[in-house]
Amino acid sequence: DTGVSQDPRHKITKRGQNVTFRCDPISEHNRLYWYRQTLGQGPEFLTYFQNEAQLEKSRLLSDRFSAERPKGSFSTLEIQRTEQGDSAMYLCASSASGQGAGPQHFGDGTRLSIL
Amino acid sequence: RKEVEQDPGPFNVPEGATVAFNCTYSNSASQSFFWYRQDCRKEPKLLMSVYSSGNEDGRFTAQLNRASQYISLLIRDSKLSDSATYLCVVNAGANFNKFYFGSGTKLNVKP
Repeated sequence: DTGVSQDPRHKITKRGQNVTFRCDPISEHNRLYWYRQTLGQGPEFLTYFQNEAQLEKSRLLSDRFSAERPKGSFSTLEIQRTEQGDSAMYLCASSASGQGAGPQHFGDGTRLSIL
Repeated sequence: RKEVEQDPGPFNVPEGATVAFNCTYSNSASQSFFWYRQDCRKEPKLLMSVYSSGNEDGRFTAQLNRASQYISLLIRDSKLSDSATYLCVVNAGANFNKFYFGSGTKLNVKP
């Protein structure tokens, strides 16, 4: 399978714990995006990487959230001191380089539940 | 004002019907536009890009109206399998690297 893969698929944790999610984009895609989606809403943009550089961050990304893409391949999203409001589906997407913003391909997502 | 707004629906239509969705966006400088489809508890999947001149892919037609800042999706001859939530997506931000999704329009196609 050469699509976008995310790990884990589900994460249940207690409030206050730290969690880390991983995303492996399509191998030839240099653009990588993280989104958060709650029930009944569309995905909300969190952050964007071009290769290893984090070029955009949403104001939604509080200081408890950090994302990295150290070698321009896989990316991690960490949430520290989780809160109940962090419960959501976290989606990763990637797209190819080129002029303009190309269509994104999404992974299956990581569903986070905070107890 | 939200960056992208859609009628949440649901649109309940019989098989074979033609249905149209609109989506408005707030940033007049947005450059890229897409329609995605999302099935329940699944990831969004690209349905089609939207080009300035309008474009068609089988039973699906997308149009862009820059003057009025909306995009539309027309589905002809609806199938049961078209039942899903349809999300419109627009890029924005200082370098247009941010993508804004609408909340989605739910379509139910009934036999």
